[in-house]
Amino acid sequence: DVKVTQSSRYLVKRTGEKVFLECVQDMDHENMFWYRQDPGLGLRLIYFSYDVKMKEKGDIPEGYSVSREKKERFSLILESASTNQTSMYLCASTITTGERNTIYFGEGSWLTVV
Amino acid sequence: AQSVTQPDIHITVSEGASLELRCNYSYGATPYLFWYVQSPGQGLQLLLKYFSGDTLVQGIKGFEAEFKRSQSSFNLRKPSVHWSDAAEYFCAVEGDSSYKLIFGSGTRLLVRP
Repeated sequence: DVKVTQSSRYLVKRTGEKVFLECVQDMDHENMFWYRQDPGLGLRLIYFSYDVKMKEKGDIPEGYSVSREKKERFSLILESASTNQTSMYLCASTITTGERNTIYFGEGSWLTVV
Repeated sequence: AQSVTQPDIHITVSEGASLELRCNYSYGATPYLFWYVQSPGQGLQLLLKYFSGDTLVQGIKGFEAEFKRSQSSFNLRKPSVHWSDAAEYFCAVEGDSSYKLIFGSGTRLLVRP
């Protein structure tokens, strides 16, 4: 089975801190994604990456950056955390083939910024 | 722009009753459609997906969904709900850029004993 692992499940950070959320997948997937989930808003795409060192902005990239130095790892960075970034963050990955494939999600990282 | 609407924020059904969760999408071409389920504190699990072919799609856990192009809908159904089905359900469509999903706001299902 594909496994997408988000190492930090629950974090509490102070306003202004730099925050790293790590995601690792074990199936050699090219595409990786970071979503943010908020009640009543569903999931919104922050950034995605289709290859090592490649990234593209999603729908809500402001206040975030990403890093993909290795194929299996995709990190989300909050340069200066703010209270409005308190949310659930979900990492996902999928393979690139000619046929659409399933996107696999991690279990989520709950971030509280105080 | 593509969008997904789930008009019901909450739905409560009795255990054993049938279930239908509504999903409407906006997309110009043939859509790729998905239903995901999220149990409390967990990530999303794929229930089923529609790419082409038969418009009635079978998924895991006894769920099915029907694609209706004329109504721009992809409603999720289950004939008999179990207490373990209580969760949040998300409908999604693949956007213009490959592999990126656009999600609805979700429907929370509560199951009455």
